[in-house]
Amino acid sequence: AQRVTQPEKLLSVFKGAPVELKCNYSYSGSPELFWYVQYSRQRLQLLLRHISRESIKGFTADLNKGETSFHLKKPFAQEEDSAMYYCALTETSGSRLTFGEGTQLTVNP
Amino acid sequence: NAGVTQTPKFRVLKTGQSMTLLCAQDMNHEYMYWYRQDPGMGLRLIHYSVGEGTTAKGEVPDGYNVSRLKKQNFLLGLESAAPSQTSVYFCASSYGQGGGYTFGSGTRLTVV
Repeated sequence: AQRVTQPEKLLSVFKGAPVELKCNYSYSGSPELFWYVQYSRQRLQLLLRHISRESIKGFTADLNKGETSFHLKKPFAQEEDSAMYYCALTETSGSRLTFGEGTQLTVNP
Repeated sequence: NAGVTQTPKFRVLKTGQSMTLLCAQDMNHEYMYWYRQDPGMGLRLIHYSVGEGTTAKGEVPDGYNVSRLKKQNFLLGLESAAPSQTSVYFCASSYGQGGGYTFGSGTRLTVV
């Protein structure tokens, strides 16, 4: 069974500091990994997906198959980055997303 | 272009009451999903549909039923609400494989 783990429920950093949100997964096949973001009382939005290898709002994430991780990183956090972040996984030919528990990021001024 | 619309946005139910949550999408997506969001547990899949007239169970289907009579609508029903079903419910849709979901704004349900 596929599983996504986000070990940090809460993460607090200061503005301008680097931030890394951890995501580990377990899946026997070839997964597709995603990061979704939910700003306060808003709907979830797709932030990025590993297959597109793009940078959105300064965030990047690299899939490390050896460590089964897909950590989200940003070199300089901004206050507007404060939100709930969810890591998610689907099988390559599948459609159902399995979400992690979420990490609430707070960027302090 | 509204995307994914959920109604109602808020609801308070008494234990044992029934209700239906409506999800509507105008993007001609084939796949639709219902998730519940609980603190510390992330989003868990309740039921999903891969096309009009089809439904399938997700991770936590007990106590819920769904119907997809029209491609654009996906209904989630609670026949006899329980306090454990207090949650925020999100509907999502996608073209199909690949995980690029479009989410609704959520329904906050409280069962007392």
